[in-house]
Amino acid sequence: QSVLTQPPSVSGAPGQRVTISCTGSSSNIGAGSDVHWYQQLPGTGPKVLIYGYSNRPSGVPDRFSGSKSGTSASLAITGLQAEDEADYYCQSYDSSLSGWVFGGGTRLTVL
Amino acid sequence: EVQLLESGGGLVQPGGSLRLSCAASGFTFSSYAVSWVRQAPGKGLEWVSTISGSGGGTFYADSVKGRFTISRDNSKNTLFLQMNSLRAEDTAVYYCAKNRGGLVSTYYFDYWGQGTLVTVSS
Repeated sequence: QSVLTQPPSVSGAPGQRVTISCTGSSSNIGAGSDVHWYQQLPGTGPKVLIYGYSNRPSGVPDRFSGSKSGTSASLAITGLQAEDEADYYCQSYDSSLSGWVFGGGTRLTVL
Repeated sequence: EVQLLESGGGLVQPGGSLRLSCAASGFTFSSYAVSWVRQAPGKGLEWVSTISGSGGGTFYADSVKGRFTISRDNSKNTLFLQMNSLRAEDTAVYYCAKNRGGLVSTYYFDYWGQGTLVTVSS
């Protein structure tokens, strides 16, 4: 069981908007630790999509955005495209564990 | 261009040892913390260990503390993970990742290698 909770799967049609939630606690997101999001395409290493809740590295389309509310964070993907089909992970730092933690991952299916 | 290339994975018996390496290029290696993150087959990501740029600070997940040792050779731009007393549950792809961020609470992994598979089985 992961410290950060994500839905196992989400889906949407091309062009639609989907959101992926990441629920934490008072020892990680609620304590003010940053949340970051990664995309993992099949057979490849993860790639950072969003860092520090809402910042995009250069090269990441602005269709991807992040936000925070209380002890949760969300990743939104607008204008869904077939190539967005992948696994998505949130990550933060947990002060109780003194280490970095990931969500269990969410598989995005583009219908 | 930042590149991270892992090596050293393979099949090992329970209780055995293995040493992973990660050759880094494209950035000033000694200026950044680097980490190992693993992914069991069909499962999610799990942070394993992090070492500071100087090598003076090391951090471990509870699941590997006392069995794994992270180290680095800044003269050779190489990261290591010595894994002892291996268990079946250590079977995973092990990724080397470069850290970014100021405080530990802001750390994220901005570049990742392609991973090396470690299989612990008799």
